[in-house]
Amino acid sequence: AQKVTQAQTEISVVEKEDVTLDCVYETRDTTYYLFWYKQPPSGELVFLIRRNSFDEQNEISGRYSWNFQKSTSSFNFTITASQVVDSAVYFCALSGLSGGYNKLIFGAGTRLAVHP
Amino acid sequence: DTAVSQTPKYLVTQMGNDKSIKCEQNLGHDTMYWYKQDSKKFLKIMFSYNNKELIINETVPNRFSPKSPDKAHLNLHINSLELGDSAVYFCASSQGAQAGTQYFGPGTRLTVL
Repeated sequence: AQKVTQAQTEISVVEKEDVTLDCVYETRDTTYYLFWYKQPPSGELVFLIRRNSFDEQNEISGRYSWNFQKSTSSFNFTITASQVVDSAVYFCALSGLSGGYNKLIFGAGTRLAVHP
Repeated sequence: DTAVSQTPKYLVTQMGNDKSIKCEQNLGHDTMYWYKQDSKKFLKIMFSYNNKELIINETVPNRFSPKSPDKAHLNLHINSLELGDSAVYFCASSQGAQAGTQYFGPGTRLTVL
């Protein structure tokens, strides 16, 4: 079975703090994809990053960075110097093949509140 | 400019009614999806269409009927609405049915009274 666990339900930080959102996944597929999406208070789902199972290089995009470790089945997301605009629910997702086709399996989400 | 759009954004209706949500994408993608987000923010796939063909149907009650008139459109019709259908429904699209990144619409908040 495929599963994504985001153990942190809510995180509260003060602006400029660094924060890491944890994501642990389970899959038996050898080829799979991992994603992070952001859902701000306005409600839309914004794509942040996609990683395939063969690429364990960490990625940095501005204040965002992602750490993918197959050995621990984790795909963690760090925001450096957090800002109030980072306040949102963040979802980690795994692409699981349903009958050969792609479907996203989401974690329960982590609500991040960044206070001024 | 909107990549994936949905109408309406909000839908309030009475139990037992029938309603439809429309989705359109201008990304040129060949695969579209419907996801449901419940009150606890949990997201789950409902359906997927590839080139107008249904490829994923995740044990959704048959009161829900998706229709894809062409690759750019995927509509969701719901019959005999129930209180438990209240949720946010997201449409998404991707290029490729195997591994394409899915881009989401703004969501439709359905409230059944």
